[in-house]
Amino acid sequence: GQQVMQIPQYQHVQEGEDFTTYCNSSTTLSNIQWYKQRPGGHPVFLIQLVKSGEVKKQKRLTFQFGEAKKNSSLHITATQTTDVGTYFCAGPDNYGQNFVFGPGTRLSVLP
Amino acid sequence: NAGVTQTPKFQVLKTGQSMTLQCAQDMNHEYMSWYRQDPGMGLRLIHYSVGAGITDQGEVPNGYNVSRSTTEDFPLRLLSAAPSQTSVYFCASSYSGRNIQYFGAGTRLSVL
Repeated sequence: GQQVMQIPQYQHVQEGEDFTTYCNSSTTLSNIQWYKQRPGGHPVFLIQLVKSGEVKKQKRLTFQFGEAKKNSSLHITATQTTDVGTYFCAGPDNYGQNFVFGPGTRLSVLP
Repeated sequence: NAGVTQTPKFQVLKTGQSMTLQCAQDMNHEYMSWYRQDPGMGLRLIHYSVGAGITDQGEVPNGYNVSRSTTEDFPLRLLSAAPSQTSVYFCASSYSGRNIQYFGAGTRLSVL
């Protein structure tokens, strides 16, 4: 079946450093979504990418969809303690009816 | 506008007990789903529904039942709880399975 992988599993950074998480799918995706889950909280939608090579920015967050639409990345510039949490990517399953979530990247930011 | 409401927030069960996790949404979404979240495993789909009266299995359906009698409600039933079902359960809703998923606050379940 379809697999969505993310690396790294964990990342510890000093406040002010940059952070990147990578998402890879075993199949070509029609679109990809990113979610953030704060510790003890629930996943919250961040963004959806649809076009090949698409780049979207939300303040210090930059999201990119690969040219082959099989991978994506989330880059955070100058991390802050408010960025702490787990970041998940999700892509449509083979039937296009549900989303398959990656295992997530847990980010800790040391002040 | 409450969004997606899950009850209870915490629950402890003994092996073999049954219980129902409640999920309700007030956004008139057709699509609803249940996930379980275990450390390092991400979110795994248990069951989903594309509308009232229609349900289907996800990736990990064994040990769980669902029903969808109304658009608003999508309860998840554990008929005979097992320690392997200790997890955090999230309900989500959306206009469709391919749109933005809105998650409830979660139910933290321990089975002893």
